[in-house]
Amino acid sequence: GAGVSQTPSNKVTEKGKYVELRCDPISGHTALYWYRQSLGQGPEFLIYFQGTGAADDSGLPNDRFFAVRPEGSVSTLKIQRTERGDSAVYLCASSLTGNAGYGYTFGSGTRLTVV
Amino acid sequence: ILNVEQSPQSLHVQEGDSTNFTCSFPSSNFYALHWYRWETAKSPEALFVMTLNGDEKKKGRISATLNTKEGYSYLYIKGSQPEDSATYLCAFYNTNAGKSTFGDGTTLTVKP
Repeated sequence: GAGVSQTPSNKVTEKGKYVELRCDPISGHTALYWYRQSLGQGPEFLIYFQGTGAADDSGLPNDRFFAVRPEGSVSTLKIQRTERGDSAVYLCASSLTGNAGYGYTFGSGTRLTVV
Repeated sequence: ILNVEQSPQSLHVQEGDSTNFTCSFPSSNFYALHWYRWETAKSPEALFVMTLNGDEKKKGRISATLNTKEGYSYLYIKGSQPEDSATYLCAFYNTNAGKSTFGDGTTLTVKP
């Protein structure tokens, strides 16, 4: 596609439920990043894929969070047993190569609210 | 943990005012410093990619400078307009990390 697409744009879920957030990067971009932005803070790194594999998942806060990119394009961020503290804007970004020194192209984010 | 700090946290100016904000970052293993502009309900938009010490970049009324030796970058907006209202994020990319570390942003509000 022309840009990075994230769905849904908004998600409200009850505490304890499972959610999936989807990111469709720019076609041909091999690197894909997930960040989380909480109110009043900057984007916080979660995980980075190079192709199909997670090159760095050091930012995932705990084992309730998991992400996949099975075919090297679309990625899904999965959150189990959601907690109110998971409420945030989840941003996806892609870059042409694994060298993000050239900057990211971001999607418009998924706003997750856990009630 | 890499520390990227932005100041001020928020700024309110009148239309026509010029303004500037600061991003400070670690000076070791520097590769690039990025500035993004993020309007509510939209995607963060890349403004500048800065890689060389002494870099100055300009895009219309917005410009940025870079000092990698002392670890800071300034973003300037000349003659602010209401449409400049947004959060301005800086992100530091170093040679070891493989991903960018963001500051908390400066939220600019320009009143007509």
